[in-house]
Amino acid sequence: DAKTTQPPSMDCAEGRAANLPCNHSTISGNEYVYWYRQIHSQGPQYIIHGLKNNETNEMASLIITEDRKSSTLILPHATLRDTAVYYCIVRVGRSSTNAGKSTFGDGTTLTVKP
Amino acid sequence: GAVVSQHPSWVICKSGTSVKIECRSLDFQATTMFWYRQFPKQSLMLMATSNEGSKATYEQGVEKDKFLINHASLTLSTLTVTSAHPEDSSFYICSASGAVREKLFFGSGTQLSVL
Repeated sequence: DAKTTQPPSMDCAEGRAANLPCNHSTISGNEYVYWYRQIHSQGPQYIIHGLKNNETNEMASLIITEDRKSSTLILPHATLRDTAVYYCIVRVGRSSTNAGKSTFGDGTTLTVKP
Repeated sequence: GAVVSQHPSWVICKSGTSVKIECRSLDFQATTMFWYRQFPKQSLMLMATSNEGSKATYEQGVEKDKFLINHASLTLSTLTVTSAHPEDSSFYICSASGAVREKLFFGSGTQLSVL
């Protein structure tokens, strides 16, 4: 799986948008970009994923650059409960026998402040 | 959405005993399950990949005789830490994916403390 690079930490004011960047310059054509977050002492929680197009769901938006070498996770209105470690992962999709195998980097610790 | 249930949430055991952790997919058939471990303030480290009905594939440096993985059905995988020692104390997390799903869902994790 491709390696990802994320800033180690970010702060965000409550109610403001949180924009978390991720670089994945060695991503392959069949690899998806996934975002998860982990709140202390819990399992990672799925947020969103995409291949080429931008995606939006009830939790967040995912913006993927045209060359797919980087992406940004956007939490539109951050709350204190969004404080967590956010992981950006690239991995092959369901068509591969290794579908689901994920290599976690160090992630970004997002702290939402009142 | 899909749910992966992991049990127990935490376990304390004496050195030398074996501990079994269960991971169940509740509303989908998990053709593949993954086991991770996580030390404090560190990221998740993949230990092994298990496919239903076949032997698990272990990552480099993970002792297969120490960490026994069984994936006997499409909804259940177990990780047994055999002859646990204090250095095995860690947060263990499972994840599961199905043949028709792109998403990967994680269990809530098991905190193992070996005394």
